[in-house]
Amino acid sequence: QKEVEQDPGPLSVPEGAIVSLNCTYSNSAFQYFMWYRQYSRKGPELLMYTYSSGNKEDGRFTAQVDKSSKYISLFIRDSQPSDSATYLCAMSGAGNNRKLIWGLGTSLAVNP
Amino acid sequence: DGGITQSPKYLFRKEGQNVTLSCEQNLNHDAMYWYRQDPGQGLRLIYYSQIVNDFQKGDIAEGYSVSREKKESFPLTVTSAQKNPTAFYLCASSGPPIFQGTAPNTIYFGEGSWLTVV
Repeated sequence: QKEVEQDPGPLSVPEGAIVSLNCTYSNSAFQYFMWYRQYSRKGPELLMYTYSSGNKEDGRFTAQVDKSSKYISLFIRDSQPSDSATYLCAMSGAGNNRKLIWGLGTSLAVNP
Repeated sequence: DGGITQSPKYLFRKEGQNVTLSCEQNLNHDAMYWYRQDPGQGLRLIYYSQIVNDFQKGDIAEGYSVSREKKESFPLTVTSAQKNPTAFYLCASSGPPIFQGTAPNTIYFGEGSWLTVV
């Protein structure tokens, strides 16, 4: 079993839809949870991060962490064609255990 | 502007040849990384360096070599020993680890280099 599981998709939605992207993990030591966005043929860029449990909102994007279920989510409201990209989750522990563990990435297409 | 510059963007290599991918950063970051990305396999760590003149193998180091003679530079050589070198290679860097607080140690990526073996 991989430490981080992420459905690679592809996921195709109409413009304006609410998108839910998810990752599950097995290592209870993870404290930092990140979402990176990667456009085609580009390097990934950090979209959002959450520390420990809880929610975090930034504009149309909301990141959620449920440590009891070892489950994280990224919600995109009012999705736009410009949101079409691959979304990668990444996680790490704290202190000296900060190696990033990556999900495979979910490919998202938002159709106008 | 601060950032990470990878070159070349596209590279073709004949089988049996070594090739070196360049990575330069002006973010004053101590740590640098090389990842490989293949369809369906996500990001896999090849090598990383936390300080000048020191580097460690990642998860898939076989067939690759690196050097870290300067803080700004972390070149990757793909040797002829690498059996499946065709891939998208990403260089990244990060600042000093923050051992307390709620912010992660953010990794910043370059634009990537596409290597194709012909």
